[in-house]
Amino acid sequence: GESVGLHLPTLSVQEGDNSIINCAYSNSASDYFIWYKQESGKGPQFIIDIRSNMDKRQGQRVTVLLNKTVKHLSLQIAATQPGDSAVYFCAEKVRAGGTSYGKLTFGQGTILTVHP
Amino acid sequence: NAGVTQTPKFQVLKTGQSMTLQCAQDMNHEYMSWYRQDPGMGLRLIHYSVGAGITDQGEVPNGYNVSRSTTEDFPLRLLSAAPSQTSVYFCATSRGTESYEQYFGPGTRLTVT
Repeated sequence: GESVGLHLPTLSVQEGDNSIINCAYSNSASDYFIWYKQESGKGPQFIIDIRSNMDKRQGQRVTVLLNKTVKHLSLQIAATQPGDSAVYFCAEKVRAGGTSYGKLTFGQGTILTVHP
Repeated sequence: NAGVTQTPKFQVLKTGQSMTLQCAQDMNHEYMSWYRQDPGMGLRLIHYSVGAGITDQGEVPNGYNVSRSTTEDFPLRLLSAAPSQTSVYFCATSRGTESYEQYFGPGTRLTVT
């Protein structure tokens, strides 16, 4: 079946740099995307989401970009801090036919390491 | 508010044993889900529920049972544990219809020997 995947499994940056984490998806029926952050030993934590009728959404220090033409999603973190070190997952929701609940499909994750 | 709680945090089982992983939420969310997380596999959906009395299978349901008698609780049962079920299990909730943001519990690390 179709799935979400990531281009880079690891990313190392210096504190203060901007980070870009990428995600490729292959299901053109997906209409909603989420980025999660998972710190060691904890459950995933919501960062930001975007619907397929948008191409950009900004949060606090984070921006998500959606390129439906090439089925690509990215998460940009500005002024990356050591506390941003974690695994980042993208997830997609496929448009759910007659029901209102669409199940999320998660990518494998990218490990972000921020060096002081 | 406690959010989403899971018990136990760690568990070791022998092959063939049964157990129930507990999940409780105090956010009055209708939708609850169970995921397993394995290295390099991301999060995979086991079962989910869209409300009390309603459950359905996810991507990897074999070997697991669920029930939803109340809005707050969504236990996951392993009837006969197998080494392939060694994993970290996460329970998640969401408001549902208008929001697909899922709130995750802290996880249960299960080892089956």
